[in-house]
Amino acid sequence: GAGVSQSPSNKVTEKGKDVELRCDPISGHTALYWYRQSLGQGLEFLIYFQGNSAPDKSGLPSDRFSAERTGGSVSTLTIQRTQQEDSAVYLCASSPSGSQGSTDTQYFGPGTRLTVL
Amino acid sequence: AQSVAQPEDQVNVAEGNPLTVKCTYSVSGNPYLFWYVQYPNRGLQFLLKYITGDNLVKGSYGFEAEFNKSQTSFHLKKPSALVSDSALYFCAVRDLRTGGFKTIFGAGTRLFVKA
Repeated sequence: GAGVSQSPSNKVTEKGKDVELRCDPISGHTALYWYRQSLGQGLEFLIYFQGNSAPDKSGLPSDRFSAERTGGSVSTLTIQRTQQEDSAVYLCASSPSGSQGSTDTQYFGPGTRLTVL
Repeated sequence: AQSVAQPEDQVNVAEGNPLTVKCTYSVSGNPYLFWYVQYPNRGLQFLLKYITGDNLVKGSYGFEAEFNKSQTSFHLKKPSALVSDSALYFCAVRDLRTGGFKTIFGAGTRLFVKA
């Protein structure tokens, strides 16, 4: 079946504008994650969703960042009033597990490269 | 809090030689440990994971990793490197005690295999 897809693949925006990044997880996967990969940096955890549970938002860097997951499937990461330091590759991943403490691996999408001018 | 350290930004190896990419971790409980690889212009891919049992874990593409609880390490190894192994490698940890799905990734180590 299809893997994790993300859109757009590239996004160039002006400082101060809002952007929305979309993630379509693998069908049936209950867990969904967002990460940020800045140039020369590792993966920075942003947020994850697990089924109908409240999301873990502990990695969101500021209140300009928010995410939602509709119907337990598609997720949208929104960045308001973008800043140049928001420029990075935003990665989405999903995993099939429905239980806490799971050992499931994550399947990553190709990412969205965000450039804030 | 959980954390992961990859002390080397870059590792250079000649083709055919053994390679090691280092990873140390810190968690308050028992760890789940993972290695992922990011090839140029491709997404992150799972390589292997340690959950419990044998300390030596075998994964994709001939890679293996050894869990060492006393040294809190999970180094990635391969007996004979290939040029095609050149990529960015990430170690990751999930804290079993806290449960949930939050996974912390290291900063990554870039592996260069020279022909």
